[in-house]
Amino acid sequence: LAKTTQPISMDSYEGQEVNITCSHNNIATNDYITWYQQFPSQGPRFIIQGYKTKVTNEVASLFIPADRKSSTLSLPRVSLSDTAVYYCLYNSTLTFGKGTMLLVSP
Amino acid sequence: DTGVSQDPRHKITKRGQNVTFRCDPISEHNRLYWYRQTLGQGPEFLTYFQNEAQLEKSRLLSDRFSAERPKGSFSTLEIQRTEQGDSAMYLCASSYGGGREPQHFGDGTRLSIL
Repeated sequence: LAKTTQPISMDSYEGQEVNITCSHNNIATNDYITWYQQFPSQGPRFIIQGYKTKVTNEVASLFIPADRKSSTLSLPRVSLSDTAVYYCLYNSTLTFGKGTMLLVSP
Repeated sequence: DTGVSQDPRHKITKRGQNVTFRCDPISEHNRLYWYRQTLGQGPEFLTYFQNEAQLEKSRLLSDRFSAERPKGSFSTLEIQRTEQGDSAMYLCASSYGGGREPQHFGDGTRLSIL
């Protein structure tokens, strides 16, 4: 069964860089890796998507090693409003894990 | 920017009643997905459509659940004879293309069964 593995929770302070890693044990050759952010009582929001190496947009970076068995979401200089649950997903599976609850403190 | 719209946002009903939820996807998106999410868990895939065709259904989708997407536009998810275990957030998402593109989610319908 296709599955992703992430840490259950992470703590950080405002202004720090946060890196969340996701392992994907059965990723297929044509799968893209997508990260979502979810706040309470809202649907997940797209953050970033990549296939290999590094992708950067205005809110995050995504690092994918050559074997593509993992990916790391990097959030630079987090703020209190980044407190949320973060999910990784690869498109052939449509299976979200439990996600990573990121708590940012002052 | 018109995102994915879901209606109603909240639904409270008694056990045994039927409920129907509606999802309006982003207009140019040909794929539409339904998920269910319970507290502390990630979204669980239920089913998806490409245009009007229902292409995949999860084993979670019992025979009490039915989804439609007439004309490939909005979609409805109906639950018949609701049970306590149906209490959850029901999320709809849409995307463009063949499935590789990111999904855009609505804010869900929260169902509470009394």
